[in-house]
Amino acid sequence: DTAVSQTPKYLVTQMGNDKSIKCEQNLGHDTMYWYKQDSKKFLKIMFSYNNKELIINETVPNRFSPKSPDKAHLNLHINSLELGDSAVYFCASSQDSGPPREKLFFGSGTQLSVL
Amino acid sequence: KQEVTQIPAALSVPEGENLVLNCSFTDSAIYNLQWFRQDPGKGLTSLLLIQSSQREQTSGRLNASLDKSSGRSTLYIAASQPGDSATYLCAVSGNTPLVFGKGTRLSVIA
Repeated sequence: DTAVSQTPKYLVTQMGNDKSIKCEQNLGHDTMYWYKQDSKKFLKIMFSYNNKELIINETVPNRFSPKSPDKAHLNLHINSLELGDSAVYFCASSQDSGPPREKLFFGSGTQLSVL
Repeated sequence: KQEVTQIPAALSVPEGENLVLNCSFTDSAIYNLQWFRQDPGKGLTSLLLIQSSQREQTSGRLNASLDKSSGRSTLYIAASQPGDSATYLCAVSGNTPLVFGKGTRLSVIA
């Protein structure tokens, strides 16, 4: 069974569209994250949720809105997509509630291409 | 602001060689350091986690060391194999969210 699963794996869309990426973890972890990996492969945190509550929002444009219906799910909705949003988005989870002190488990990524 | 640097950016070695990947960080006030492996088109897999109070961790052919005071970590891979080819990233956890280096792309040639 996949520990952290995210869908879709690939997403190709036009500028201005709205899209969502879904993430689910079956590890029973309390904290989930969204990371963005840009074209230079630099991985940077976007959001962190602990038990459905937003913990970290790293100066991400408000076009990005995470939603956590329960602690096993953290979805990412993006409004009015721009060319610069093209990247690979990774979902991750850990058992911690604060700065991660345990291993992070990552999903396989969603490659978003905005045309 | 925490910054993580990995050297070299890319490395190519023949199969069987032992090798060392380097990671340095600017703020020594960390909780732990993790080494990850990323295969093309896939997510990251955590290889080793070293808590700030530890000096090293070992898993199979992998050994990671941590010198917190000097802001350095190394990942030692013994008897490298083609299957070790991947990008290796280190990340530090402190008062800021987990901060990643840009990775070292390793190619092990059969």
